[in-house]
Formats: sequence, structure tokens, C-alpha cells
Amino acid sequence: GAGVSQTPSNKVTEKGKYVELRCDPISGHTALYWYRQSLGQGPEFLIYFQGTGAADDSGLPNDRFFAVRPEGSVSTLKIQRTERGDSAVYLCASSPPGLAGVNEQFFGPGTRLTVL
Amino acid sequence: QQPVQSPQAVILREGEDAVINCSSSKALYSVHWYRQKHGEAPVFLMILLKGGEQKGHDKISASFNEKKQQSSLYLTASQLSYSGTYFCGTSPDTGNQFYFGTGTSLTVIP
Repeated sequence: GAGVSQTPSNKVTEKGKYVELRCDPISGHTALYWYRQSLGQGPEFLIYFQGTGAADDSGLPNDRFFAVRPEGSVSTLKIQRTERGDSAVYLCASSPPGLAGVNEQFFGPGTRLTVL
Repeated sequence: QQPVQSPQAVILREGEDAVINCSSSKALYSVHWYRQKHGEAPVFLMILLKGGEQKGHDKISASFNEKKQQSSLYLTASQLSYSGTYFCGTSPDTGNQFYFGTGTSLTVIP
């Protein structure tokens, strides 16, 4: 079956612009995570969805970051007024239904965001 | 919140064993282990839930001491394919966050 997909695979933008990153989870996976990974670092937790609602968004660095999952499947991470420090690989992972952290996470290939 | 892993890096010859440790300052509900190769997404290895169990498959096993908030990953008779960066991932006893550790770079040489 299809795995987690993320689009675009690469995004280059200019400082101050708005970007949207998309994640398409595995069918039937109600849990969805967004992470940010900088070079040489581990993935940094951003937000966790259970179904349509954000069960925990405590990892979002500031109010320029926002994520939605309106129908409980595809999720979009939105970044306003991008800054050079936002450059990183953004990873999405999905899990079968269950409490956060109980099930294996299946990762997408990531979106490499470069802010010039 | 980020778990601390040790060692930061290790180099092994094929066939040697290794232990990677993960320590958290928070009470944990679960510990995951993932391996990430350069330029790729993390790949799941195993999960341990609160209860102090030990798990393993093939030559990779792990333990979880919930009282000490620590987990260890054991790699035996290492193979070249084991090379990569290993991350523990933890979910706290309360809340829905998930935190990856600082990472351990493992290199297996012939």
C-alpha cells in the first residue's frame, strides 16, 4: 500500500513569503505528527493531530506556524513571513488510531524548505 | 524535554556489539527507537511501553526502565547495514507530545 507522502519535496522561498507544506498520511491512520529537522539534529516535535483536531500544538515555535487537517486525512503546515531560521527538513508521520506515542510512526520523505 | 543519548557516536567493526542509551528527565509512557540513514526519513525499530519490558527481534533488542526513565538499545553482531543515526523517541506520561533524543551516530566498518 501507499506510504506517507509529502509535497513538495523541495521548496525554495524568499524571506517574508508564505509557504504551505502538504502531508498525505497512510489511509486509516488517524494520528498525524509534524516535525522539523535541522542538519545534524533529531526531529523536533511541532504538532500532533488525532483526527481533525490538533491534540497538541505545543511544539509550534511561534504564531507564524499553523497546521490544519480539516477532514482528518491530509494535513497542511502553513508558515507565514518565513525567516532564514525556518530552513530545515519538515517531516510528517502518521500512526494507526491510539494514544500519542503508543504506535509506530510511519514517516514521509520530508519537504526540504530553504528560505533565502 | 529532549532525551539525552549516549554515546554521541560509535564506530564498530562488523560483528561487534553496541549499546545506545537514552535518558529522559520526564516520566515516560513509551519509548520508541528509530534508525535514520543520511538523507532518508527515520525508520521504526521498536516500541516499549510503560511496564519495564524488554523487546527484541533478530539481533536488535531494547529495554525500558520506567523508574529511571531510561532505555537502552542493544545491537549484537553488527552488520554494515546497521550504520546510521539512532534516535530514541519518547512520549511523556501526560500530554501528547513526542520528543526525539539527541541521536547516536553508528558506523560499522568491514
